[in-house]
Order: sequence, then structure tokens, then C-alpha cells
Amino acid sequence: TQLLEQSPQFLSIQEGENLTVYCNSSSVFSSLQWYRQEPGEGPVLLVTVVTGGEVKKLKRLTFQFGDARKDSSLHITAAQPGDTGLYLCAGGAGGTSYGKLTFGQGTILTVHP
Amino acid sequence: DAGVTQSPTHLIKTRGQQVTLRCSPKSGHDTVSWYQQALGQGPQFIFQYYEEEERQRGNFPDRFSGHQFPNYSSELNVNALLLGDSALYLCASSRPNTGELFFGEGSRLTVL
Repeated sequence: TQLLEQSPQFLSIQEGENLTVYCNSSSVFSSLQWYRQEPGEGPVLLVTVVTGGEVKKLKRLTFQFGDARKDSSLHITAAQPGDTGLYLCAGGAGGTSYGKLTFGQGTILTVHP
Repeated sequence: DAGVTQSPTHLIKTRGQQVTLRCSPKSGHDTVSWYQQALGQGPQFIFQYYEEEERQRGNFPDRFSGHQFPNYSSELNVNALLLGDSALYLCASSRPNTGELFFGEGSRLTVL
């Protein structure tokens, strides 16, 4: 059974601070995705990384896939209240398992003005 | 372009009852996956439908069943409801052989 562990589970910071969320597993994934979910809504895909060592940037968000494709991180620079939400990492096995994602338990981020 | 739509958005059932949840995929998508998200947890994969057949299944009992129709819409059925089935049920659609999922807003099921 593949598991993904996210840390920290909760993060409460002030506007303008930087933060990093980690996603770790003992299993290798063919891809790693990050989603953001707001209350009452479904998760929204932020990014997909597929190559070990890959780094992708989305405005103030930087995503990295570990060299061994077992871990990933999400770094937010100068957080804003609009970044508040539940951040989920999800690993994909690829091949015939497309669409079957293993999710971490999520990180609840609160950014205070 | 309509995204993934789910119905109903909220419902309350009692133990032992049966429930049917519905999902219409995003235009151009033919694969539908269902996930269960308990409060404070990440989503867990239930099963996936493609070409009207169940293609993959997660670790859920047979009480959870589904169906996909020729127009790619899908239903999730849960029989003999338990208190522990209370959760947000998410439907996600995708194009064939891609891992990029588009989620609906979910159906919040409360079992009393």
C-alpha cells in the first residue's frame, strides 16, 4: 500500500512570511500533484511534476519533486491571506493506474492579514 | 464550458439506508473517478469508470458500487449505510490515460 505523509498538518502564519510544506513516501510515484481545496469545494490542481529533481514555479509557489520520486515540497514566498486553504499532495502510479491517486492527509494553511 | 457537476450537494440518511450520488464529467472527458474524503483527511480512491466499466478499485467494500452511462456520466451507490460512511464524496473526471483530474464540488453525506 502506497502512503503519502504530509507535514506539517497545520500551519498558521502572518502575511508576508514564507513557508514550506513537505510530502514524503517510501514508495516511488510516476507523478506527484499538488492540489488546493477551499471549504465546500473540490480540490483544484495546482501543478503536476513527473521527473525526479523537477522544479516548477507558479507565481509565488515553487514545487519540487525529489530525485528518487518519493517526496515533494511546496514552498510559498510572501504568503497572502488568499493562499489560505487545504493543500494536498497526491501521488500517481501511472500506466494503467491513471486517475488512481494516493493523497496525503493535507496541510491546513491559514495566513493572517 | 461546464466543469464537473455533482448532485445532490448535501444529503442526510439514516443507518441501513441506501444512497445514490450523481456526477456529470467535464466536457471532453470520458473517465470518472470517485473519492471519499472524511473530515480532516485527504481523499481516498473508491473506483474509476471508463467505457461504462469499472477499471480500477480501491479498498472499499462491495457496499460501494457504481455505474457509468453512455454519455459518460456516473453514479455512486452505497448500500447499508454506516455512520462511518459520513463524508464528502468527490467525483473527478479526466481524459483517457491522463492523471490530470478535475474535481466537482462534492456531495456531503451525513449518516445518522
